[in-house]
Amino acid sequence: GEDVEQSLFLSVREGDSSVINCTYTDSSSTYLYWYKQEPGAGLQLLTYIFSNMDMKQDQRLTVLLNKKDKHLSLRIADTQTGDSAIYFCAGGGSQGNLIFGKGTKLSVKP
Amino acid sequence: EAQVTQNPRYLITVTGKKLTVTCSQNMNHEYMSWYRQDPGLGLRQIYYSMNVEVTDKGDVPEGYKVSRKEKRNFPLILESPSPNQTSLYFCASSLNGIGAKNIQYFGAGTRLSVL
Repeated sequence: GEDVEQSLFLSVREGDSSVINCTYTDSSSTYLYWYKQEPGAGLQLLTYIFSNMDMKQDQRLTVLLNKKDKHLSLRIADTQTGDSAIYFCAGGGSQGNLIFGKGTKLSVKP
Repeated sequence: EAQVTQNPRYLITVTGKKLTVTCSQNMNHEYMSWYRQDPGLGLRQIYYSMNVEVTDKGDVPEGYKVSRKEKRNFPLILESPSPNQTSLYFCASSLNGIGAKNIQYFGAGTRLSVL
């Protein structure tokens, strides 16, 4: 089945760019997603990318997709303390569900 | 406002005492799902439902039951809770489980402690 891997922690300084990486095994996902979980809250969709795209930009967020290497990344430009959260990469499973990575905890230092 | 509502948000109980966590969505979504989130393990799917009266096991269904009698509600039932079910639980829904754009909407979570 689908497996999604991501590093568990990332620490950056305020104003720097953050890059969160994800690898996946099942290339049949039509869309790939990034969700954000703030402390004490549920997950919220941050952005998504269609599988036939290489890049998607949405304000400070840039998603890069390398289908050959099955690698997805999320870049946050000018990272702010409010960006501190857990970021989950997700792809479609065979049952119509989503398979989530374990989440990357982003810490932003002033 | 479109939302997924879970209740209760926090629950402390004792081993063996049956409990139900409710989940309701107001978006007319067909697909609903329960996840548990544990440190270092990420989100794991417990059960999901593609539509009314259709439910299926996810990755970690043991010790849980669900029902889907109405489209909007998808309660999670723990018949005899045990301490290893202490976790943070999320309900989620999406328009259609199988489809090109499967955007799931999550509830705020239920933190359960089983003593």
